[in-house]
Amino acid sequence: DSGVTQTPKHLITATGQRVTLRCSPRSGDLSVYWYQQSLDQGLQFLIQYYNGEERAKGNILERFSAQQFPDLHSELNLSSLELGDSALYFCASSVGSSGSTSETQYFGPGTRLLVL
Amino acid sequence: DQQVKQNSPSLSVQEGRISILNCDYTNSMFDYFLWYKKYPAEGPTFLISISSIKDKNEDGRFTVFLNKSAKHLSLHIVPSQPGDSAVYFCAASDGGLTGGGNKLTFGTGTQLKVEL
Repeated sequence: DSGVTQTPKHLITATGQRVTLRCSPRSGDLSVYWYQQSLDQGLQFLIQYYNGEERAKGNILERFSAQQFPDLHSELNLSSLELGDSALYFCASSVGSSGSTSETQYFGPGTRLLVL
Repeated sequence: DQQVKQNSPSLSVQEGRISILNCDYTNSMFDYFLWYKKYPAEGPTFLISISSIKDKNEDGRFTVFLNKSAKHLSLHIVPSQPGDSAVYFCAASDGGLTGGGNKLTFGTGTQLKVEL
């Protein structure tokens, strides 16, 4: 158990809908990351938050947004869903630093999203 | 542009023998490298990491070797056990030096099967 929790575990929805994925980081971790793993691609970085502030963005679609709350949990919002958004979405956390530093990230169990 | 490559999609070894998983990278700004193990429908589990200032790091049955001049790293598992059967991902980070936060860039994974 990594200490990172994600809900829900599975989500089935229809095209055009909006969903919210939730992540709670390990106790004490300030950084939260979101990754997407689709069938034809490996793990792709979406976005990072550090202590409530957006730190970095990857290839995240404009239809997707995220935030990190004062209690450090994070939510990833996916809207106007398309069939191609079906994927595994992973949250990870790390201790976090205000500077540039490489850290080990610990991953949650993921949310499997299926868009029909 | 695949900055982290795992050229062997699968590897099969006998129980008790050594498993060697390979990873190549192209970005010379990477300064931290990690190996994760992943079972189906679960999140990646951190195994071992290595900083670019080292060339070897050992943790129990797992050893990671880094050859910076060749931009190559490898994970050795000795002895291999049936429970090691999983997908292994190599990941790399530049610690945000290029403005990408602390994101991890992943390889496409190698499926390891340890046979009895």
